[in-house]
Amino acid sequence: DQQVKQNSPSLSVQEGRISILNCDYTNSMFDYFLWYKKYPAEGPTFLISISSIKDKNEDGRFTVFLNKSAKHLSLHIVPSQPGDSAVYFCAASVSSNYQLIWGAGTKLIIKP
Amino acid sequence: ETGVTQSPTHLIKTRGQQVTLRCSSQSGHNTVSWYQQALGQGPQFIFQYYREEENGRGNFPPRFSGLQFPNYSSELNVNALELDDSALYLCASSLSRGVDYGYTFGSGTRLTVV
Repeated sequence: DQQVKQNSPSLSVQEGRISILNCDYTNSMFDYFLWYKKYPAEGPTFLISISSIKDKNEDGRFTVFLNKSAKHLSLHIVPSQPGDSAVYFCAASVSSNYQLIWGAGTKLIIKP
Repeated sequence: ETGVTQSPTHLIKTRGQQVTLRCSSQSGHNTVSWYQQALGQGPQFIFQYYREEENGRGNFPPRFSGLQFPNYSSELNVNALELDDSALYLCASSLSRGVDYGYTFGSGTRLTVV
């Protein structure tokens, strides 16, 4: 039972354009969502998060949008840069719980 | 400020054996979480330790056990290894319990069971 789903295993985007990564969840109790980025041979690094009381959070080139009614969130990266090429994971949690539930990841490739 | 260090980086074990993986948490962090990441999947929560006590456990059998030491470093022990235990094991430390404190992950230990 996958509670967090990232349906696109990979995404290819031209440098300078917008990258949009999507994530769907099934558990309506989730109230905190995070995006992590992972390079090969490294651990995941935190990118941006959003609480369910908000529908948007922005940090520089990264913006996360949350649509609670659709149980959907997305990560927008603009403009996309070559260093953004990595695997992006969406994760969710219930009420500052200790446990993160992760999606399977989307591999983002930024083409020069 | 040092990050999270995991050892060893890689190891190969035989089915039925036991293994111990180690994690040194980031300075000032008192909470350690362990995750298992199988190939092509997202990490799965194994358990969390807060101030040397187990603070929560995911859907893993009792042969997965852990310890946290007074310096907040941690061990993950797996007994009676099975082929399906082959995975990347990630350790993450944080300032306290709760995901909103932010986790710092190590680079992981790649375990192969043959």
